[in-house]
Amino acid sequence: DQQVKQNSPSLSVQEGRISILNCDYTNSMFDYFLWYKKYPAEGPTFLISISSIKDKNEDGRFTVFLNKSAKHLSLHIVPSQPGDSAVYFCAGGGSNYKLTFGKGTLLTVNP
Amino acid sequence: NAGVTQTPKFRILKIGQSMTLQCTQDMNHNYMYWYRQDPGMGLKLIYYSVGAGITDKGEVPNGYNVSRSTTEDFPLRLELAAPSQTSVYFCASSGQTGYTFGSGTRLTVV
Repeated sequence: DQQVKQNSPSLSVQEGRISILNCDYTNSMFDYFLWYKKYPAEGPTFLISISSIKDKNEDGRFTVFLNKSAKHLSLHIVPSQPGDSAVYFCAGGGSNYKLTFGKGTLLTVNP
Repeated sequence: NAGVTQTPKFRILKIGQSMTLQCTQDMNHNYMYWYRQDPGMGLKLIYYSVGAGITDKGEVPNGYNVSRSTTEDFPLRLELAAPSQTSVYFCASSGQTGYTFGSGTRLTVV
C-alpha cells in the first residue's frame, strides 16, 4: 500500500524552463509534506516543506503547491538549472515525526 | 557542524555474517531513524527512536536490531546478513532544526 506516489519515474526539461514534479498521497493524517533532492552517492537533502494547513510555500526558485481535496502536491522549479538534475523525493509526515517517501522522480535539466 | 555521520560508507558482507552500521548526530535531536533504499524505490523506515532508551519498529524491521543508549548515537545491527539486505542505508535525525540525513552506507551481501 503506497501512501505516497510519484507516478513519473523521470522528467526531462530544458534549462530555463519550468520543472513540475508531482506527488499524490492517500494518508489524510499527514500534517506536513517535504521535498528532498538526492544526488548519486549522497544522502537526501531537504529542499522545501509545506504544512497541511497551507496551499503554497515558496522559497526562491522552488514552490510547493498542496491541493488537499485532491490529495496532490507538486513542486515547481523556475527557472530550471542543470545543477537541479537529481532525484526528487516527496514525503509525508505526521505527529510521530516518521516520514513516508515516494519512489522518487529523476529530473534531468538539459543545457 | 558535522550533522549526521554514518560509517562505513561501503561494506561487503558474506551471507550469515553480522555487522553494525554506525550513526551519530551532533544536533541534539531527539528523533533518529534508519531507512533503506532499494533500487528504484523510495526510502523505507527500518527502525526509529524518539529519545535515548526508546526505540520502535518501522515498516521493514525484520533482520535488524537497534539501540539508543545516548542522544547522539543510533547504531543499526545486522545479525545474520542475507542477500535481501543488500541496499543503501540512510540514518537521519530530526528536531527543531529540521530533518537531516547522513550520506549513506552501501551494503552488499554476497
